[in-house]
Amino acid sequence: KNEVEQSPQNLTAQEGEFITINCSYSVGISALHWLQQHPGGGIVSLFMLSSGKKKHGRLIATINIQEKHSSLHITASHPRDSAVYICASTNFGNEKLTFGTGTRLTIIP
Amino acid sequence: GAGVSQSPRYKVAKRGQDVALRCDPISGHVSLFWYQQALGQGPEFLTYFQNEAQLDKSGLPSDRFFAERPEGSVSTLKIQRTQQEDSAVYLCASSLPGLNYGYTFGSGTRLTVV
Repeated sequence: KNEVEQSPQNLTAQEGEFITINCSYSVGISALHWLQQHPGGGIVSLFMLSSGKKKHGRLIATINIQEKHSSLHITASHPRDSAVYICASTNFGNEKLTFGTGTRLTIIP
Repeated sequence: GAGVSQSPRYKVAKRGQDVALRCDPISGHVSLFWYQQALGQGPEFLTYFQNEAQLDKSGLPSDRFFAERPEGSVSTLKIQRTQQEDSAVYLCASSLPGLNYGYTFGSGTRLTVV
């Protein structure tokens, strides 16, 4: 069974800081997803990646298949980035997502 | 539709009551998933449909939970004889088939059993 772990659980930073959230998984996966959940809101898909690096605006996601590790970076963080960030994996032959427990990010103005 | 629509947005049920939660996926999305998210936790898989076929129901916590998608579009998650431990947000997600596509999530139904 694939276990997905995230760190840190909670992260508070000042506006403008560079943010890194880490995700590790225990078995080989077909894809790694980064998701964003605002309080009381639904989940928004940010990235899906199986190798290398993807960038969208101020967000960057990387994955190292050999080390079974992914990171989500936020540059020039802003209070509106405050949310729970969740990583999740899919395995070969199975489309269901296995979720990490999430990282609660708070950006202080 | 433009997104995944779930209803109701909030549901308060008395213990022992039956509830039905609805998910209307994006038109053309073959795959549909139900997840349960307890307070402060990450979502947990419940069940998965491809069109009208329920391919995986291994996450349903008990036989009080039942899901259907009879025409391959709208899906209903039914919980019979609700218990307090059923209180959670129930999330629906849909996608095109296969592992190359991302998922679109609904806003969820927050179920509170009192």
